[in-house]
Amino acid sequence: AQSVTQPDIHITVSEGASLELRCNYSYGATPYLFWYVQSPGQGLQLLLKYFSGDTLVQGIKGFEAEFKRSQSSFNLRKPSVHWSDAAEYFCAVGPVSGGYNKLIFGAGTRLAVHP
Amino acid sequence: ETGVTQTPRHLVMGMTNKKSLKCEQHLGHNAMYWYKQSAKKPLELMFVYNFKEQTENNSVPSRFSPECPNSSHLFLHLHTLQPEDSALYLCASSQGIQGMAEQFFGPGTRLTVL
Repeated sequence: AQSVTQPDIHITVSEGASLELRCNYSYGATPYLFWYVQSPGQGLQLLLKYFSGDTLVQGIKGFEAEFKRSQSSFNLRKPSVHWSDAAEYFCAVGPVSGGYNKLIFGAGTRLAVHP
Repeated sequence: ETGVTQTPRHLVMGMTNKKSLKCEQHLGHNAMYWYKQSAKKPLELMFVYNFKEQTENNSVPSRFSPECPNSSHLFLHLHTLQPEDSALYLCASSQGIQGMAEQFFGPGTRLTVL
C-alpha cells in the first residue's frame, strides 16, 4: 500500500540555520510529490511539487526539495530559516498520470525556530 | 472573498445535535474535497466531488453527510457525532481531479464534540 513517512515529528532550529525535513514514500511507481505548510489556525499551503524532470525543485518562501528515486525520498530544504517558518510541514504523494487526485499525506513535522 | 473559505471557523456541539459545515471556493475550480485532520494522525481524505458528483467516499461513517449543490459550494452535514470526531475539518478545491492538480485548502473548521 502507498504510504508516506516523515520520520521527524518535531524539529527545532535556530534562526539563520539551515533546515532539512525528511520525507520517504512507498509507491508502486514514481508518484507526484508535494510539500505543504500549515501555519497555526490556517489551512495547508503548497510550497512546491515534483512531477518529472529536474529532480531539484524550487518552491515558494526560499524552499527547495530534491527527489531521489534510489532512496524513495523527497526531502525539503532551506538554507537559512526565518522565525516565520515555524509551522507544520506535510509531505504528500499523489498518483501518476491517469490516476485521480487522491493525496496521501505524511503525519507532519512540526518546526520550531529559536531566535 | 478569495481562495477557499470555510464557516464556521469553530464549532462546539453535543452528540445529539445536528450542524453543518460550509465551504466555498472562489477559484473557478470544479473539484472539491473534505479532509479530517486529527491530532497525531495524518490528514485523512473523506470525500471528493468532481462537477458536483461524488467520486470518493473514503469509508466515512454515515453520521457525516456531504452535499455539493454546485462546483463552488460544499457542505458537510453532521448528526449524532462522537467525541472522537473532534478534529479540524479542511475543505480543498482543485481544477480537475488528475494527479497533478494542485489542491487549495481553506483554513478549516475546528470541531469539538462534547
